[in-house]
Amino acid sequence: GENVEQHPSTLSVQEGDSAVIKCTYSDSASNYFPWYKQELGKRPQLIIDIRSNVGEKKDQRIAVTLNKTAKHFSLHITETQPEDSAVYFCAASDTGRRALTFGSGTRLQVQP
Amino acid sequence: SAVISQKPSRDICQRGTSLTIQCQVDSQVTMMFWYRQQPGQSLTLIATANQGSEATYESGFVIDKFPISRPNLTFSTLTVSNMSPEDSSIYLCSVDDWKTQYFGPGTRLLVL
Repeated sequence: GENVEQHPSTLSVQEGDSAVIKCTYSDSASNYFPWYKQELGKRPQLIIDIRSNVGEKKDQRIAVTLNKTAKHFSLHITETQPEDSAVYFCAASDTGRRALTFGSGTRLQVQP
Repeated sequence: SAVISQKPSRDICQRGTSLTIQCQVDSQVTMMFWYRQQPGQSLTLIATANQGSEATYESGFVIDKFPISRPNLTFSTLTVSNMSPEDSSIYLCSVDDWKTQYFGPGTRLLVL
């Protein structure tokens, strides 16, 4: 089955700096890669996603890149703000099965 | 996006008892899933809830322990049977609308 690895497990940045979280996946059949933000005590919220026919996607301060050959995808957050502090999860799935396999999570702390 | 509700939001149960968690969606969806999130951990798929047929369980999860019902396209239940303290977790249902996957608010379960 699919295996998703996520790094780093914790990340501390100064407000205004950029943050990068990286994931790798094992199953070449995976073609959908969402990123979720989970604040303490809340449900995971989708923040951005990318499909395998696209190499990069951007939404304001958030961008995701995908390298299918290397089976890598990354989340980039620019101009970080204290409200970006949360746990971020990457995930992977394929069109047929659709169930998500999650990475282990990254705790992002943005210092004001 | 679909609006998902879960009941109960939290519960404290005694070991050896069972708890049934309900998941209600405000629109018909084909794919529904149940995930478990142990304290401080990532999300792990328990099973895919199939409408009108038996759920599809992931490795490590069995029907006798986690029976699932899916009587229609808007509702599903997950039962945690013969509970032990190791079952203390957040249980989340999710729905897939063929674009992405959204999560319910979760049920926080503590087993004493």
